[in-house]
Amino acid sequence: GQQVMQIPQYQHVQEGEDFTTYCNSSTTLSNIQWYKQRPGGHPVFLIQLVKSGEVKKQKRLTFQFGEAKKNSSLHITATQTTDVGTYFCLEETSGSRLTFGEGTQLTVNP
Amino acid sequence: ETGVTQSPTHLIKTRGQQVTLRCSSQSGHNTVSWYQQALGQGPQFIFQYYREEENGRGNFPPRFSGLQFPNYSSELNVNALELDDSALYLCASSLMGSRGYTFGSGTRLTVV
Repeated sequence: GQQVMQIPQYQHVQEGEDFTTYCNSSTTLSNIQWYKQRPGGHPVFLIQLVKSGEVKKQKRLTFQFGEAKKNSSLHITATQTTDVGTYFCLEETSGSRLTFGEGTQLTVNP
Repeated sequence: ETGVTQSPTHLIKTRGQQVTLRCSSQSGHNTVSWYQQALGQGPQFIFQYYREEENGRGNFPPRFSGLQFPNYSSELNVNALELDDSALYLCASSLMGSRGYTFGSGTRLTVV
């Protein structure tokens, strides 16, 4: 069945360091979405990528969609303590089936 | 505009009982999906409703069922509760064809 591999599972960084999480799918995707979930909170939509090779930026966050539309990444430049949380990718396949990655839990040491 | 609201926020049930969880979609949204999130794991897709019809389902048994009402609010029903059903249940709404899902704060279900 459909699987979304997300790595790493955990990432501990010092404030100011960069952070990257990766998602890889076993199939070609029509689009991919990214969400952030703070501890004790619910997922919050960050962005959707649709086009092959697409790159989008939101302040210190950079999102990329692979040329083959099978992988995606989220990069945070110069992390801050407010970046703490778990970052998930979400893919939607035909038949309106939605699959989240396992998530990358980011902790930032001040 | 109002966001997605879920009720109740917390619930304790006994194994074998039935439970109904409720969700009010964000204004203007016509699609609702439900997820089960165990502690420390990613949300698992249960099913999605669009215009009162189920239009996508994950790997959950038939004892997980749902409804979407004309006002786009929704219910998740779980029969014959098992201990492993203990989790955070999340509802998310969206406008079909648009970007992104808006999540509610969830219902924390504990089965004892």
